[in-house]
Amino acid sequence: QVQLKESGPGLVQPSQTLSLTCTVSGFSLTSYNVHWVRQPPGKGLEWMGRMRYNGDTSYNSALKSRLSISRDTSKNQVFLKMNSLQTDDTGTYYCTRARTTVVLFDYWGQGVMVTVSS
Amino acid sequence: EIVLTQSPTTMAASPGEKVTLNCLASSSVSYMNWYQQKSGASPKLWIYGTSNLASGVPNRFSGSGSGTSYSLTISSMEAEDVATYYCLQLSSYPPMYTFGAGTKLELK
Repeated sequence: QVQLKESGPGLVQPSQTLSLTCTVSGFSLTSYNVHWVRQPPGKGLEWMGRMRYNGDTSYNSALKSRLSISRDTSKNQVFLKMNSLQTDDTGTYYCTRARTTVVLFDYWGQGVMVTVSS
Repeated sequence: EIVLTQSPTTMAASPGEKVTLNCLASSSVSYMNWYQQKSGASPKLWIYGTSNLASGVPNRFSGSGSGTSYSLTISSMEAEDVATYYCLQLSSYPPMYTFGAGTKLELK
């Protein structure tokens, strides 16, 4: 069955770099796009960026200067790196799959809570 | 960049009541997706392509709309429908996925 699972540190210091991993199973990264979405505590959802099935990436313009998404297809993993973290980057980070341009985000990971604090 | 405005922000409905949640786009879009998120859980795809129910979604839910105005309707509110509902739209170039701010649906 399709599964996505995020992993990474729960605590990051301000100005440091966040590194998260999304490990997928039940589908191929060369056939589906994987996206990252985040959610500050008590607030709404924000799209961060995506890794397309062909290796291309796209980013939210508000985060583009700080964000990088990459992958290792042999390990079924998609990576997120975001630098210069501030306290308002605190939140839950999700990876999610897009089946088509209409059937977006049909499966989600459980999310990983990241706190930016010294 | 398309902005999605959801209304109401919060609402409470009684069991059996008909509920309509709205999503207004700042410019015309081709379709709308909806996601349900219960407290402490990951979002779930609920409605895609404006009116198609995702797998497992009860048929008391429906979606409709066109242009800039879309809605999610529950024909008869049930306790399990308590959640926050988000609309989502994709802009093709440059690629940008925009969520509405959400409507929190509570039980009266």
